[in-house]
Amino acid sequence: EAQVTQNPRYLITVTGKKLTVTCSQNMNHEYMSWYRQDPGLGLRQIYYSMNVEVTDKGDVPEGYKVSRKEKRNFPLILESPSPNQTSLYFCASSAGTGRGYGYTFGSGTRLTVV
Amino acid sequence: AQSVTQPDIHITVSEGASLELRCNYSYGATPYLFWYVQSPGQGLQLLLKYFSGDTLVQGIKGFEAEFKRSQSSFNLRKPSVHWSDAAEYFCAVGGNTGGFKTIFGAGTRLFVKA
Repeated sequence: EAQVTQNPRYLITVTGKKLTVTCSQNMNHEYMSWYRQDPGLGLRQIYYSMNVEVTDKGDVPEGYKVSRKEKRNFPLILESPSPNQTSLYFCASSAGTGRGYGYTFGSGTRLTVV
Repeated sequence: AQSVTQPDIHITVSEGASLELRCNYSYGATPYLFWYVQSPGQGLQLLLKYFSGDTLVQGIKGFEAEFKRSQSSFNLRKPSVHWSDAAEYFCAVGGNTGGFKTIFGAGTRLFVKA
């Protein structure tokens, strides 16, 4: 089954404790992206990657890091999480950048930073 | 600047009634337009997309949307709503500029009355 898999689904952590949210897709998609979803704000892009070793900032990159060492994986790293990073996070992938390819989304990771 | 506006935060319709969800966008070039649906606790699922050609596009679950360039709109419609359509709906715009950044609206939550 074609899918984007995120782990964990739920995470509670303390301020300052480094964490990684994993994301993997099995569709050989070139384009991957991380979004955060907050009430009333919709989805805001954190980082995206157009291919292996090619990443760039989205609209809200502060406090986050990413890497794309393999085509299928695109982990999101919070080096020193803070309470304002409490949010619902989605990883998404797309076949390309032309012709309006839509995203396939993961099921989300609900992160709480206390 | 690129932006998406969904004027209605929430809408309530009776089961069997018709539905129209509004979406207005701002984009400097030819836009790619999308509608996604998010059921509670789930990731987003692509309903339909427009990137060229016929301005009336058909999607899954009986939804359709019409692209009106003169009004910068891409409204989502369904002739007869089912209780299972209750969810949050997101309009999004993207394109070939700026690294294929997709901008999402804040969402419209649909409630369905029995």
